[in-house]
Amino acid sequence: NAGVTQTPKFQVLKTGQSMTLQCAQDMNHNSMYWYRQDPGMGLRLIYYSASEGTTDKGEVPNGYNVSRLNKREFSLRLESAAPSQTSVYFCASMAETEPYGYTFGSGTRLTVV
Amino acid sequence: GENVEQHPSTLSVQEGDSAVIKCTYSDSASNYFPWYKQELGKRPQLIIDIRSNVGEKKDQRIAVTLNKTAKHFSLHITETQPEDSAVYFCAASIGRGTYKYIFGTGTRLKVLA
Repeated sequence: NAGVTQTPKFQVLKTGQSMTLQCAQDMNHNSMYWYRQDPGMGLRLIYYSASEGTTDKGEVPNGYNVSRLNKREFSLRLESAAPSQTSVYFCASMAETEPYGYTFGSGTRLTVV
Repeated sequence: GENVEQHPSTLSVQEGDSAVIKCTYSDSASNYFPWYKQELGKRPQLIIDIRSNVGEKKDQRIAVTLNKTAKHFSLHITETQPEDSAVYFCAASIGRGTYKYIFGTGTRLKVLA
């Protein structure tokens, strides 16, 4: 029972490089999310997907794009990485029955130099 | 925009004492309030939640209270133990019928043995 799986766990990029963070869930959840976590700032929503085929911006979408490939997978892409995007990224999915809280992936620690 | 304020940012208590973490939200349409515990280097995990039609909820040593009028909700941990040491995040749902949460900035709880 894997839950939410994120890859990679660690990544170092040079400024201007691109990369895609992968996320997959096996709980048959409709809603999926990408958050970033920075010291002293909590978790901030980048993008979310309420269902397959739909995506919407969150609090901090600039510099990111997402794809909801199918019900299981929701990827986050950095087209041209910047040092300000150094962060820990968490993918999450949410059940439509109680409890409604998120199940988070294990996180991706991204450093942009 | 919507906002969740969380206090204190750090909290140290002696083992066996109680700990209280307080949050305030701004969106009057918020109707779901989860709390997450994040141990160092790990993913946030849901520990308790409360819906807007309930004033208090308890689960063993953990309780959450909600005051809708004042837009306050609090986490109470009794008989604290060293394993309670972690960062705790409150969150509030945004708007009606949405599954997005906005998070507080976190409280680092240290339980001193």
